[in-house]
Amino acid sequence: RKEVEQDPGPFNVPEGATVAFNCTYSNSASQSFFWYRQDCRKEPKLLMSVYSSGNEDGRFTAQLNRASQYISLLIRDSKLSDSATYLCAVNRHAGKSTFGDGTTLTVKP
Amino acid sequence: DVKVTQSSRYLVKRTGEKVFLECVQDMDHENMFWYRQDPGLGLRLIYFSYDVKMKEKGDIPEGYSVSREKKERFSLILESASTNQTSMYLCASTGVQETQYFGPGTRLLVL
Repeated sequence: RKEVEQDPGPFNVPEGATVAFNCTYSNSASQSFFWYRQDCRKEPKLLMSVYSSGNEDGRFTAQLNRASQYISLLIRDSKLSDSATYLCAVNRHAGKSTFGDGTTLTVKP
Repeated sequence: DVKVTQSSRYLVKRTGEKVFLECVQDMDHENMFWYRQDPGLGLRLIYFSYDVKMKEKGDIPEGYSVSREKKERFSLILESASTNQTSMYLCASTGVQETQYFGPGTRLLVL
């Protein structure tokens, strides 16, 4: 079993839709959590950190459920520009991340 | 802004060649990492370093070595390139906030 698992998708949604991604992790000692966005043929870039209380950045909401060992990303009012691959990352040791394989999102007009 | 640069965007090498991939970061980060990314396999950690002259194996170190002589520079070495090392190689660094800052990647093709 992989340490971090994501539904690979693809998710194909119309503009304006709400879409949610989940990511489960197996190590309960994990300390910090992140969502990254990766555009085609580009490097991953931080989308948002995930805090225990949940956090929001515009149309994006991230949540952490330590008891069930998963994190989630909710995108509201999807835009064409949201089309990308979304990677979750889990840190056990300082700075060392384990990444999920990514979930591909395509937003269509 | 943190900047992580990699020495090449694209490389073509022959089987058996020694390959050097260099990574430089300008934010005085302690931690640096090398990953490879392949379709269906995600990002896999090859080696990482928490300080100058320190290195630790990641999940897939076989066939690779690294060098960190200066804090800002972390090099990945393929001692004898093989076709199964054809991949996208990504360097990253982290500071105190643990966010990974990635370089633009090097697409390596080994013929």
